[in-house]
Amino acid sequence: NAGVTQTPKFRILKIGQSMTLQCAQDMNHNYMYWYRQDPGMGLKLIYYSVGAGITDKGEVPNGYNVSRSTTEDFPLRLELAAPSQTSVYFCASRTPGETNTEAFFGQGTRLTVV
Amino acid sequence: QKEVEQNSGPLSVPEGAIASLNCTYSDRGSQSFFWYRQYSGKSPELIMSIYSNGDKEDGRFTAQLNKASQYVSLLIRDSQPSDSATYLCAVLKDTGRRALTFGSGTRLQVQP
Repeated sequence: NAGVTQTPKFRILKIGQSMTLQCAQDMNHNYMYWYRQDPGMGLKLIYYSVGAGITDKGEVPNGYNVSRSTTEDFPLRLELAAPSQTSVYFCASRTPGETNTEAFFGQGTRLTVV
Repeated sequence: QKEVEQNSGPLSVPEGAIASLNCTYSDRGSQSFFWYRQYSGKSPELIMSIYSNGDKEDGRFTAQLNKASQYVSLLIRDSQPSDSATYLCAVLKDTGRRALTFGSGTRLQVQP
């Protein structure tokens, strides 16, 4: 049981390049999330999904896209990288509900855009 | 007003003391509350969850919830240097109850 797995762990992009951050979970969780964390700050929600084929915007969706074709995978796409997207990205998953519903996090992807 | 507010710290306590971390939230209908610990360069890990008014204890950790005053706190007894980390408060808001909203975190330093 690996939990939530993110790849890559580190990446340097040039301005204007594109990339996909991968996230996979093996806990059969319906809900999945992408957060970004800037230095010294909390986590801000980029996009989330409540099940395969269903996605919705969070607080800071501009510059990103997501898809959810399976329960397990929730990739995040950066189309035209900008320096403002330099951050640490965390994927998380949880079961729906109001109790016993803590979010489990992946190890993060540290992205630098130069 | 931020949805979830925490004092950024650093909060410095001597080893063996009680560390008290506080968090306030704006959505009165919020039902679920979480404390995550995050070491530098690592991902958040769950410390405590609390859903009802009052106290919930787990080892050296006690979470306290007061929905009327809209605050949640975390007490760490017998603080150890290994407790030095950033503590993130997270709230599952009433609306949709779909995503956790995080505070900016309080950095705790336990001095040996």
